[in-house]
Amino acid sequence: GAGVSQSPSNKVTEKGKDVELRCDPISGHTALYWYRQSLGQGLEFLIYFQGNSAPDKSGLPSDRFSAERTGGSVSTLTIQRTQQEDSAVYLCASSTQGEVLAAFFGQGTRLTVV
Amino acid sequence: AQSVTQLDSQVPVFEEAPVELRCNYSSSVSVYLFWYVQYPNQGLQLLLKYLSGSTLVKGINGFEAEFNKSQTSFHLRKPSVHISDTAEYFCAVRSFNDYKLSFGAGTTVTVRA
Repeated sequence: GAGVSQSPSNKVTEKGKDVELRCDPISGHTALYWYRQSLGQGLEFLIYFQGNSAPDKSGLPSDRFSAERTGGSVSTLTIQRTQQEDSAVYLCASSTQGEVLAAFFGQGTRLTVV
Repeated sequence: AQSVTQLDSQVPVFEEAPVELRCNYSSSVSVYLFWYVQYPNQGLQLLLKYLSGSTLVKGINGFEAEFNKSQTSFHLRKPSVHISDTAEYFCAVRSFNDYKLSFGAGTTVTVRA
């Protein structure tokens, strides 16, 4: 597709369950970001991938959070043993490397932990 | 590391009035600057960006922003707002030598008739 695609758009899960959130970046974009947007708050950086370099995981809030990017394209953010405080909108974005363009964002996945 | 401060969390404004949203940043290196808009129940959309050159940049929907290096600011302005400009606005910064975007906390603009 033309833009960043995220799935699912909405996810309701029970506390303690694991969830996987998927991101399909724009074709050819080598940089991929995950952010979290909690109600009434700004965007919190989680992780980013740049080409084949080691990802910057400095924003992951706990070891329950992990992410991978396969083949330099699709990325999956996994949250294990979800907690209610994990409820938020998870945003994925991608950008190019060779030219400085702003990141393009997906519509996000709204995660609700009940 | 860089950081962004948006000085106003809420900005109410009447239709056809001007609006200015303030953004200040801090960084030890040169940066690129961005403004994003998030309309209700939608994703983030790029409004405009400053990369280099002219310090006054124009974006979509009649918005413009001015980069002031000495004051480390990148304020967003629109001379006449519409109801449809009601949204949350985020300022973001990215260092020359990094790809990590750092966002401000956002400014909610509410336009009233």
